[in-house]
Amino acid sequence: DGGITQSPKYLFRKEGQNVTLSCEQNLNHDAMYWYRQDPGQGLRLIYYSQIVNDFQKGDIAEGYSVSREKKESFPLTVTSAQKNPTAFYLCASSSGTGIAEAFFGQGTRLTVV
Amino acid sequence: AQKVTQAQTEISVVEKEDVTLDCVYETRDTTYYLFWYKQPPSGELVFLIRRNSFDEQNEISGRYSWNFQKSTSSFNFTITASQVVDSAVYFCALIGSNSGYALNFGKGTSLLVTP
Repeated sequence: DGGITQSPKYLFRKEGQNVTLSCEQNLNHDAMYWYRQDPGQGLRLIYYSQIVNDFQKGDIAEGYSVSREKKESFPLTVTSAQKNPTAFYLCASSSGTGIAEAFFGQGTRLTVV
Repeated sequence: AQKVTQAQTEISVVEKEDVTLDCVYETRDTTYYLFWYKQPPSGELVFLIRRNSFDEQNEISGRYSWNFQKSTSSFNFTITASQVVDSAVYFCALIGSNSGYALNFGKGTSLLVTP
């Protein structure tokens, strides 16, 4: 089945450690996105990529890094520089026209202790 | 700048009641696109509808209907005869044609439908 796979679903890390969240899609979509969701805050854009080997910062990129070496994959690294990393992270993809609906993964809940 | 406001944080209704979720937006783009997504407890966002700024025709899909009014910059969502399975967080979102390619979301409205 076509879709977006995020792994793992739950992730625990110690403070000060970098952690990488996986996002894979088999929809042949050009564009991919990372959002962060906090209670009462809605979804905020971290990074997005419209094409392989290119990506742009979103509204809250500080403390995060991404790569887009393959069309199917858009991993997100939460670095130790991110002050409040505990959150729900959602990955999405779209056909890349900019106006197409985005399809979302099931999310990764990251808890930093 | 773009902004989406969902003033209702939480709504609770009894099954079979109708409920309307409000969405007000701001954008300087003359061409833009509005979306509604549903987030059930599982966490994944489910696409419900997309509406172009030049198409103000209202839409109905089963128990769901959407009222788009450019004059008031609103894109409201109504669920008729609500059901327990409608319980979820609902997000309104906006993309402006000249403002990038990522969705700008409202903060969401949590809908609880009780039996």
